[in-house]
Amino acid sequence: DIVMTQTPLSLSVTPGQPASISCKSSQSLLHSDGKTYLYWYLQKPGQPPQLLIYEVSNRFSGVPDRFSGSGSGTDFTLKISRVEAEDVGVYYCMQSIQLPGLTFGGGTKVEIK
Amino acid sequence: EVQLLESGGGLVQPGGSLRLSCAASGFSFSGYAMSWVRQAPGKGLEWVSAMSGSGGSTYFADSVRGRFTISRDNSRNTLYLQMNSLRAEDTAVYYCAKANRGYNWNYFDYWGQGTLVTVSS
Repeated sequence: DIVMTQTPLSLSVTPGQPASISCKSSQSLLHSDGKTYLYWYLQKPGQPPQLLIYEVSNRFSGVPDRFSGSGSGTDFTLKISRVEAEDVGVYYCMQSIQLPGLTFGGGTKVEIK
Repeated sequence: EVQLLESGGGLVQPGGSLRLSCAASGFSFSGYAMSWVRQAPGKGLEWVSAMSGSGGSTYFADSVRGRFTISRDNSRNTLYLQMNSLRAEDTAVYYCAKANRGYNWNYFDYWGQGTLVTVSS
């Protein structure tokens, strides 16, 4: 299976400040169809995960534009331009280039200072 | 509005069986693949199994293959997970998730609230 490694494990951010989370995959997520199968989810406390970003950089419906995704191949980044209190939770990256064998990163916990 | 409601979780002894259900509404159920993803207490997310919209294709994680069975009843808009030979390490919240397409799906766009399965003597 493809291993997804997220850093940092946790992040404490002052409201209004930016935050950045890294996700590295053990194999390239670029498919022969030209798409890169990398996704970002946020799991708020006590809730199921919710989709933020699909295929590296596309925001899902209703996701604020302060969230952005970038990267290619094996290195990816989720950025929050100005963190708000409602952004607290655990962020997960996910790859689906291998099915079966879909895997998630270990998660990055974001807290507010 | 997409809604996914899991049920069937509970306490079961090692070696026992349990069947989870996921009732779906707010979208054309048969047109989308569906999946189960679990989360052990205090841990991260682990994909478990998936089934195409028609039910013709199934996928399993190595950790559950041969023990778990996935099925769906498109007339009842319901997804199932039959779990046999349960182990302590199967203890987790099990989430039902809707995929982005019926076939050749790539990600999950909506998730249910989850149902807790505890395997313990």
